[in-house]
Amino acid sequence: GAVVSQHPSRVICKSGTSVKIECRSLDFQATTMFWYRQFPKQSLMLMATSNEGSKATYEQGVEKDKFLINHASLTLSTLTVTSAHPEDSSFYICSARQGSYNEQFFGPGTRLTVL
Amino acid sequence: AQTVTQSQPEMSVQEAETVTLSCTYDTSESDYYLFWYKQPPSRQMILVIRQEAYKQQNATENRFSVNFQKAAKSFSLKISDSQLGDAAMYFCAYRQNYGGATNKLIFGTGTLLAVQP
Repeated sequence: GAVVSQHPSRVICKSGTSVKIECRSLDFQATTMFWYRQFPKQSLMLMATSNEGSKATYEQGVEKDKFLINHASLTLSTLTVTSAHPEDSSFYICSARQGSYNEQFFGPGTRLTVL
Repeated sequence: AQTVTQSQPEMSVQEAETVTLSCTYDTSESDYYLFWYKQPPSRQMILVIRQEAYKQQNATENRFSVNFQKAAKSFSLKISDSQLGDAAMYFCAYRQNYGGATNKLIFGTGTLLAVQP
């Protein structure tokens, strides 16, 4: 299957700083990328959907000014957590899809810890 | 709105035995996909099996098979000859087959499967 990478795999930051997480589709063009948040032993919660060259569509309750998503190319999407606080600590997963009805491929996730 | 329900938070199976994980969903649509994903301790999401709603034949992938009951909106996963490597969280997911770029996966709450040696 296709490969999606995420960087970094782990990040620790201080409260009030911003953190950027990258999601790359390595061997296909991702017209749509998704960002999820997952708490321990819980399901994946969709935060936003982004289409290349367009503004991201955020799910209800997700602060768009806090979680900035950029999908500037067909192989790269970034999630920036601005002014991070301890409650933002979580596991963030991206996934990518080529076309509207194809399979979604998931990245390995990024563990964010805000001190 | 579509919903996916997994009523078994945890399950346990003996190695080499068979286990069935339950999933029900609610939708008014007729054209959709259903999926089972595996999330091992590494937390990498892995697609286990996929079922297209318009196909009556149940999907199978080696030791993994589904029992798709469209009228009952049920989509269970059977794992045969369970192996230690099958231990993971399993998520059932639904995706409508229209809506273009906006269609998205809807996940259940997951079932944590333990495999006993």
